[in-house]
Amino acid sequence: NAGVTQTPKFQVLKTGQSMTLQCAQDMNHNSMYWYRQDPGMGLRLIYYSASEGTTDKGEVPNGYNVSRLNKREFSLRLESAAPSQTSVYFCASRLSGDSNQPQHFGDGTRLSIL
Amino acid sequence: AQKVTQAQTEISVVEKEDVTLDCVYETRDTTYYLFWYKQPPSGELVFLIRRNSFDEQNEISGRYSWNFQKSTSSFNFTITASQVVDSAVYFCALLHNAGNNRKLIWGLGTSLAVNP
Repeated sequence: NAGVTQTPKFQVLKTGQSMTLQCAQDMNHNSMYWYRQDPGMGLRLIYYSASEGTTDKGEVPNGYNVSRLNKREFSLRLESAAPSQTSVYFCASRLSGDSNQPQHFGDGTRLSIL
Repeated sequence: AQKVTQAQTEISVVEKEDVTLDCVYETRDTTYYLFWYKQPPSGELVFLIRRNSFDEQNEISGRYSWNFQKSTSSFNFTITASQVVDSAVYFCALLHNAGNNRKLIWGLGTSLAVNP
């Protein structure tokens, strides 16, 4: 049982390049989330999808777009990467938006923007 | 306002010592949930425990124990007889009842180093 799978694990981009981070879960969860983790800042929510077909902004959505492709997949796109977007990105899923179940996380994508 | 405070940024102990990681939260919700996650050096985030606001019983799982006290809005985590493998960043989080999509409010984490 893979859980939450993120690809790629590492990526280096040049400023201005675009990139899509992929996330897929096989736990039949309805809700999915994208976070970024920066030193001293903890985990900050970028976007989330409460259910298939819906997406909403989190704390730090600027510079990002998301697509909930189907129930399993939730992608994060950087249209024009900036050095400030250098971070570790985590995808997570949860049974449903109104449940009390924990979020399950992928292993993260380490993204560097030069 | 919903908030989680982990006042200890870094803790360093010697193996076999007991260590307590503090978590203080703020919420207006009467029903809420608290979580602890572990992030080892390899980077993944691992769920450890969930506790609801109506259950103030302490929980023990092996060398790990959690002390939930509503009176002080705290949900502290104790590792007994710490081991090097316990070295990690530990996050406390509060499930915020924001309508039909509850969000996690995260603390900034406590970095625990267990030295041999």
